[in-house]
Amino acid sequence: QVQLVQSGAAVRKPGASVKVSCKASGYTFTSYYMHWVRQAPGEGLEWVGLVNPYDGNTSYAQKLQGRVSMTRDTSTKTVYMELSRLTTDDTAVYYCAKDIHSSGCFQRWGQGTLVTVSS
Amino acid sequence: DIQMTQSPSSLSASIGDRITITCRASQDISNYLAWVQQKPGKAPRSLIYAVSSLQSEVPQKFSGSGSGTHFALTITNLQPEDFATYYCQQYKTYPPTFGQGTKVEI
Repeated sequence: QVQLVQSGAAVRKPGASVKVSCKASGYTFTSYYMHWVRQAPGEGLEWVGLVNPYDGNTSYAQKLQGRVSMTRDTSTKTVYMELSRLTTDDTAVYYCAKDIHSSGCFQRWGQGTLVTVSS
Repeated sequence: DIQMTQSPSSLSASIGDRITITCRASQDISNYLAWVQQKPGKAPRSLIYAVSSLQSEVPQKFSGSGSGTHFALTITNLQPEDFATYYCQQYKTYPPTFGQGTKVEI
């Protein structure tokens, strides 16, 4: 069965960076896009970006361009999202989500990683 | 970006009820519409894709309809585990965008 297991919660100061991981199992890792979606406290869902595990190509939300980077390691079936120059507005739960193929439609979600940015 | 607008923002219902949540897109998205369920403190769960196709292991009490710009999610025989927030999401164009959510309460 498809499983996505994310790294644990992180606390960072403003201006710092954070790197969150998502380890996949139960399917062919390189055949499906992986997305990141975030949810600020009490707010809705916001798409952050995606990585194509096959070739490493990425696409990011325009508002985060220049601060976000997504990578993958095919040997460990893990994708990573790194966000730099953090502000308090980046405080959110970050979810990885497996695509149904390459469409932008999500099939399965990770358990979420709370990133708290606070001085 | 395509804007997704849901109504109502919240609704109260009783066990056994049938409810319908609507979702409107700011432009034609054909059938590129999904529904996601989220319970408090939990990760989202994908329910429906392509307007009306159920994801695996999703019970048939959930159904979707619509096309173009107007869509609906219907849940029959509401049970305690169905009380949650529901989001519609378009994937016609990038970036994928979500509605603001509809909270279904007892």
